[in-house]
Amino acid sequence: DTAVSQTPKYLVTQMGNDKSIKCEQNLGHDTMYWYKQDSKKFLKIMFSYNNKELIINETVPNRFSPKSPDKAHLNLHINSLELGDSAVYFCASSGTDSGYTFGSGTRLTVV
Amino acid sequence: SQQGEEDPQALSIQEGENATMNCSYKTSINNLQWYRQNSGRGLVHLILIRSNEREKHSGRLRVTLDTSKKSSSLLITASRAADTASYFCATARDSSYKLIFGSGTRLLVRP
Repeated sequence: DTAVSQTPKYLVTQMGNDKSIKCEQNLGHDTMYWYKQDSKKFLKIMFSYNNKELIINETVPNRFSPKSPDKAHLNLHINSLELGDSAVYFCASSGTDSGYTFGSGTRLTVV
Repeated sequence: SQQGEEDPQALSIQEGENATMNCSYKTSINNLQWYRQNSGRGLVHLILIRSNEREKHSGRLRVTLDTSKKSSSLLITASRAADTASYFCATARDSSYKLIFGSGTRLLVRP
């Protein structure tokens, strides 16, 4: 039973398209995150939601918009995709004072 | 910018040997965590050490934390080929839930 699942696993799309990545966790955690891992393996936080409320919004282009319909779901919508958006996007969740549980990642390739 | 810097960037050892990875960070922290990432997979939480703790063990893993030097080390004893992965340290500065990751150490354990 996957704790943090994100779909799709791979996403290949053309520049200018709009795409969404979905994430769900069944751990009962209150906090969820989106991280971006670039080609050099650097991980950078993008957004964080706590009980459906946005608490962290790093310097991310407005083309990226997170949505949390409930505390078990955190989706990421990206408008007008650019080549530089190509990366692996990870969803994660955490409880109080605990480590993160990560999803397996979505490899986005913009062509 | 990255909070943590890890050293070495890459490490190659023989199975059975011990592997030591170091992490340095810049600001005061609430806790420090270590994660493992196998190639093409998500990150897996290994261990969390709080700022008032100096050492923690989990199986073959030993983590130390020196807040005066703003550094931590991860020791993997009696390494196995299955330990081959990238290892990341991550720091939480406060209760804002935000984890900032280091640049990672790529560990190769040769059979």
